[in-house]
Amino acid sequence: AQSVTQLDSQVPVFEEAPVELRCNYSSSVSVYLFWYVQYPNQGLQLLLKYLSGSTLVESINGFEAEFNKSQTSFHLRKPSVHISDTAEYFCAVRPNQAGTALIFGKGTTLSVSS
Amino acid sequence: NAGVTQTPKFRVLKTGQSMTLLCAQDMNHEYMYWYRQDPGMGLRLIHYSVGEGTTAKGEVPDGYNVSRLKKQNFLLGLESAAPSQTSVYFCASSYPAMNTEAFFGQGTRLTVV
Repeated sequence: AQSVTQLDSQVPVFEEAPVELRCNYSSSVSVYLFWYVQYPNQGLQLLLKYLSGSTLVESINGFEAEFNKSQTSFHLRKPSVHISDTAEYFCAVRPNQAGTALIFGKGTTLSVSS
Repeated sequence: NAGVTQTPKFRVLKTGQSMTLLCAQDMNHEYMYWYRQDPGMGLRLIHYSVGEGTTAKGEVPDGYNVSRLKKQNFLLGLESAAPSQTSVYFCASSYPAMNTEAFFGQGTRLTVV
């Protein structure tokens, strides 16, 4: 079975500060890793994904995530956050096994204040 | 391209009533999913489908039924609604390949009183 643990339920930060949202997973098979973002009263949007190759994955809006196989982690980082980054962030895994679904963590609420 | 469309967006039900949530996707995706989102619980998988005419149980299937009669539609039914089913429901779809992401609808906010 697979599981995803997001280590922080809420992360308050000031604008322009760096942030790290932590995600650990466990799985008996290889997985693909995803970060989704949910802005208030909206659906989920893909932020970035790790499939293979370089362990550092970047998104178009300045976020990056690093896959660490030995620590089974996929932490999300941004060097300088904006007010507009306030949202809920979900880490998800998809087992590399036919007929399976995305499994989500419980989410981390990022609150950016000025 | 509409993507994934959920109907309705909001609904209030009385305990014991039934209803069906409709999900439609226009991306020709094989896989479709229903999740529920509750505060502090993240998204939990209710049921999913890997193709027309097939369905499978997820993490929290009790109290729900689903049908996938057409590839583009995935219906979620509540036969006898309970207050514990008050939640935001999200439908998603994806290609079968495991390295592809899922695309989500905007959600249905259901309140059972």
